[in-house]
Amino acid sequence: DGGITQSPKYLFRKEGQNVTLSCEQNLNHDAMYWYRQDPGQGLRLIYYSQIVNDFQKGDIAEGYSVSREKKESFPLTVTSAQKNPTAFYLCASSTRPNTEAFFGQGTRLTVV
Amino acid sequence: GQQVMQIPQYQHVQEGEDFTTYCNSSTTLSNIQWYKQRPGGHPVFLIQLVKSGEVKKQKRLTFQFGEAKKNSSLHITATQTTDVGTYFCAPQAAGNKLTFGGGTRVLVKP
Repeated sequence: DGGITQSPKYLFRKEGQNVTLSCEQNLNHDAMYWYRQDPGQGLRLIYYSQIVNDFQKGDIAEGYSVSREKKESFPLTVTSAQKNPTAFYLCASSTRPNTEAFFGQGTRLTVV
Repeated sequence: GQQVMQIPQYQHVQEGEDFTTYCNSSTTLSNIQWYKQRPGGHPVFLIQLVKSGEVKKQKRLTFQFGEAKKNSSLHITATQTTDVGTYFCAPQAAGNKLTFGGGTRVLVKP
Protein backbone atom coordinates (compact mmCIF):
# COMPACT_ATOMS: atom_id res chain seq x y z
CA ASP A 1 0.00 0.00 0.00
CA GLY A 2 1.33 3.41 -0.90
CA GLY A 3 0.87 6.16 1.58
CA ILE A 4 2.22 8.34 4.32
CA THR A 5 2.63 6.92 7.82
CA GLN A 6 2.97 8.74 11.08
CA SER A 7 3.83 7.02 14.30
CA PRO A 8 2.86 6.77 17.01
CA LYS A 9 -0.77 7.86 16.94
CA TYR A 10 -0.66 8.98 20.57
CA LEU A 11 2.44 10.09 22.45
CA PHE A 12 2.90 11.20 26.03
CA ARG A 13 6.03 12.90 27.32
CA LYS A 14 7.16 14.68 30.42
CA GLU A 15 7.84 18.36 30.30
CA GLY A 16 11.46 19.15 29.48
CA GLN A 17 12.04 16.08 27.31
CA ASN A 18 12.72 16.16 23.60
CA VAL A 19 10.51 13.90 21.49
CA THR A 20 10.76 12.83 17.86
CA LEU A 21 7.72 12.20 15.68
CA SER A 22 8.10 9.87 12.74
CA CYS A 23 6.85 10.51 9.20
CA GLU A 24 7.50 8.05 6.38
CA GLN A 25 6.14 8.04 2.84
CA ASN A 26 6.48 5.52 0.01
CA LEU A 27 4.87 7.72 -2.61
CA ASN A 28 8.21 8.87 -4.03
CA HIS A 29 7.25 12.46 -3.23
CA ASP A 30 9.88 15.18 -3.22
CA ALA A 31 8.09 17.65 -0.94
CA MET A 32 7.21 17.00 2.70
CA TYR A 33 5.62 19.20 5.36
CA TRP A 34 4.95 19.32 9.10
CA TYR A 35 1.93 21.09 10.60
CA ARG A 36 0.65 21.74 14.06
CA GLN A 37 -3.08 21.84 14.79
CA ASP A 38 -4.53 22.98 18.10
CA PRO A 39 -8.14 22.10 19.08
CA GLY A 40 -10.64 23.85 16.85
CA GLN A 41 -7.88 25.65 14.98
CA GLY A 42 -6.33 25.58 11.54
CA LEU A 43 -3.05 24.06 10.35
CA ARG A 44 0.12 26.00 11.02
CA LEU A 45 3.24 25.18 9.03
CA ILE A 46 6.27 24.21 11.12
CA TYR A 47 8.86 23.09 8.54
CA TYR A 48 8.86 21.97 4.95
CA SER A 49 11.30 20.26 2.62
CA GLN A 50 11.35 20.37 -1.16
CA ILE A 51 14.14 17.86 -1.64
CA VAL A 52 16.47 15.58 0.26
CA ASN A 53 19.01 17.34 2.49
CA ASP A 54 17.13 20.62 2.28
CA PHE A 55 14.42 22.13 4.46
CA GLN A 56 13.01 25.53 5.33
CA LYS A 57 11.33 27.04 8.35
CA GLY A 58 7.61 27.55 8.23
CA ASP A 59 5.57 30.02 10.25
CA ILE A 60 6.11 28.48 13.71
CA ALA A 61 9.52 26.76 13.61
CA GLU A 62 10.75 27.90 17.03
CA GLY A 63 11.23 24.97 19.38
CA TYR A 64 11.19 22.39 16.58
CA SER A 65 13.84 20.75 14.42
CA VAL A 66 13.75 18.45 11.40
CA SER A 67 16.03 16.44 9.14
CA ARG A 68 15.63 15.13 5.60
CA GLU A 69 18.41 12.59 5.11
CA LYS A 70 16.25 10.28 3.02
CA LYS A 71 13.55 11.07 0.49
CA GLU A 72 10.97 8.96 2.26
CA SER A 73 11.57 10.21 5.80
CA PHE A 74 11.03 13.60 7.47
CA PRO A 75 11.17 13.28 11.28
CA LEU A 76 10.17 16.16 13.53
CA THR A 77 11.77 16.75 16.93
CA VAL A 78 9.81 18.74 19.46
CA THR A 79 12.43 20.18 21.76
CA SER A 80 12.15 21.30 25.36
CA ALA A 81 12.34 24.87 24.05
CA GLN A 82 8.81 24.57 22.63
CA LYS A 83 6.66 26.25 25.27
CA ASN A 84 3.31 24.64 24.46
CA PRO A 85 4.06 21.35 22.71
CA THR A 86 0.73 19.61 23.38
CA ALA A 87 -1.03 19.49 20.01
CA PHE A 88 -2.02 17.37 17.02
CA TYR A 89 0.88 17.06 14.56
CA LEU A 90 0.26 16.32 10.90
CA CYS A 91 2.79 15.34 8.26
CA ALA A 92 2.08 15.69 4.55
CA SER A 93 3.83 15.04 1.26
CA SER A 94 3.34 16.01 -2.36
CA THR A 95 4.93 15.11 -5.68
CA ARG A 96 6.39 18.58 -5.85
CA PRO A 97 5.51 21.93 -4.28
CA ASN A 98 2.09 23.37 -5.16
CA THR A 99 0.54 20.01 -6.00
CA GLU A 100 -1.98 17.85 -4.15
CA ALA A 101 -0.79 17.02 -0.65
CA PHE A 102 -1.41 13.71 1.09
CA PHE A 103 -1.61 13.68 4.87
CA GLY A 104 -0.71 11.09 7.44
CA GLN A 105 -3.10 10.12 10.23
CA GLY A 106 -1.39 12.49 12.64
CA THR A 107 0.23 12.15 16.06
CA ARG A 108 -1.44 13.54 19.17
CA LEU A 109 1.30 14.67 21.51
CA THR A 110 0.53 15.34 25.15
CA VAL A 111 3.20 16.80 27.39
CA VAL A 112 2.58 16.59 31.12
CA GLY B 1 3.51 38.60 3.79
CA GLN B 2 0.45 36.86 2.51
CA GLN B 3 -2.69 37.33 4.60
CA VAL B 4 -5.47 34.79 4.21
CA MET B 5 -8.96 35.05 5.63
CA GLN B 6 -11.48 32.24 5.46
CA ILE B 7 -15.08 33.06 6.30
CA PRO B 8 -17.25 32.18 8.02
CA GLN B 9 -15.32 30.47 10.80
CA TYR B 10 -18.38 28.42 11.71
CA GLN B 11 -21.38 27.41 9.63
CA HIS B 12 -24.48 25.75 11.10
CA VAL B 13 -26.58 24.47 8.22
CA GLN B 14 -29.97 22.83 8.15
CA GLU B 15 -29.84 19.56 6.25
CA GLY B 16 -30.93 20.16 2.67
CA GLU B 17 -29.91 23.81 2.59
CA ASP B 18 -27.05 25.36 0.65
CA PHE B 19 -24.07 27.28 1.99
CA THR B 20 -20.90 28.96 0.79
CA THR B 21 -17.48 29.42 2.37
CA TYR B 22 -15.02 32.01 1.15
CA CYS B 23 -11.24 32.31 1.08
CA ASN B 24 -9.71 35.74 0.57
CA SER B 25 -6.02 36.52 0.04
CA SER B 26 -4.20 39.83 0.24
CA THR B 27 -1.92 38.78 -2.63
CA THR B 28 -2.40 37.36 -6.11
CA LEU B 29 -2.28 33.58 -6.09
CA SER B 30 -0.74 31.09 -8.47
CA ASN B 31 -3.33 28.50 -7.51
CA ILE B 32 -5.57 27.47 -4.65
CA GLN B 33 -6.36 24.08 -3.17
CA TRP B 34 -9.28 23.00 -0.99
CA TYR B 35 -9.22 20.27 1.66
CA LYS B 36 -11.78 18.67 3.97
CA GLN B 37 -11.03 17.39 7.45
CA ARG B 38 -13.61 15.20 9.16
CA PRO B 39 -13.81 15.41 12.97
CA GLY B 40 -10.88 13.48 14.43
CA GLY B 41 -9.38 12.89 11.01
CA HIS B 42 -6.76 14.33 8.72
CA PRO B 43 -7.19 16.75 5.81
CA VAL B 44 -8.09 15.23 2.47
CA PHE B 45 -7.51 16.99 -0.84
CA LEU B 46 -10.66 18.04 -2.72
CA ILE B 47 -9.60 20.19 -5.67
CA GLN B 48 -7.02 22.56 -7.12
CA LEU B 49 -7.91 25.70 -9.09
CA VAL B 50 -5.32 27.35 -11.32
CA LYS B 51 -6.95 29.60 -13.91
CA SER B 52 -8.57 32.98 -13.37
CA GLY B 53 -12.34 32.60 -13.11
CA GLU B 54 -12.12 28.82 -13.07
CA VAL B 55 -15.16 26.87 -11.88
CA LYS B 56 -15.05 23.17 -11.03
CA LYS B 57 -17.83 20.93 -9.78
CA GLN B 58 -17.74 17.73 -7.78
CA LYS B 59 -21.29 16.43 -7.37
CA ARG B 60 -22.88 18.89 -4.89
CA LEU B 61 -19.68 20.92 -4.42
CA THR B 62 -18.85 23.89 -6.66
CA PHE B 63 -15.45 25.56 -6.43
CA GLN B 64 -14.67 28.93 -7.95
CA PHE B 65 -11.46 30.94 -8.39
CA GLY B 66 -11.86 34.70 -8.61
CA GLU B 67 -11.04 36.67 -11.75
CA ALA B 68 -8.23 38.49 -9.95
CA LYS B 69 -6.93 35.22 -8.46
CA LYS B 70 -7.17 36.64 -4.95
CA ASN B 71 -10.22 34.80 -3.69
CA SER B 72 -12.05 31.55 -3.97
CA SER B 73 -15.31 30.02 -2.84
CA LEU B 74 -16.76 26.60 -2.10
CA HIS B 75 -20.52 26.23 -2.48
CA ILE B 76 -22.33 23.12 -1.25
CA THR B 77 -25.90 22.46 -2.33
CA ALA B 78 -28.45 20.32 -0.51
CA THR B 79 -26.22 19.80 2.53
CA GLN B 80 -26.06 16.29 3.95
CA THR B 81 -24.79 14.99 7.29
CA THR B 82 -21.78 13.60 5.45
CA ASP B 83 -20.70 17.18 4.73
CA VAL B 84 -19.83 17.72 8.40
CA GLY B 85 -16.22 18.71 8.92
CA THR B 86 -13.82 21.58 8.43
CA TYR B 87 -13.10 22.92 4.98
CA PHE B 88 -9.70 24.52 4.47
CA CYS B 89 -8.42 26.54 1.58
CA ALA B 90 -4.69 26.41 0.82
CA PRO B 91 -3.79 29.47 -1.24
CA GLN B 92 -0.50 29.22 -3.11
CA ALA B 93 1.45 32.38 -3.85
CA ALA B 94 5.09 32.69 -4.84
CA GLY B 95 7.37 30.20 -3.17
CA ASN B 96 6.77 26.64 -2.19
CA LYS B 97 5.12 26.85 1.21
CA LEU B 98 1.83 24.99 1.53
CA THR B 99 -0.12 27.11 4.01
CA PHE B 100 -3.77 26.93 5.00
CA GLY B 101 -6.57 29.28 5.87
CA GLY B 102 -8.19 29.02 9.29
CA GLY B 103 -10.97 26.79 8.01
CA THR B 104 -14.77 26.81 8.07
CA ARG B 105 -16.26 24.37 10.56
CA VAL B 106 -19.52 23.00 9.25
CA LEU B 107 -22.20 21.50 11.46
CA VAL B 108 -25.35 20.05 9.92
CA LYS B 109 -28.67 20.08 11.72
CA PRO B 110 -30.84 17.10 10.73
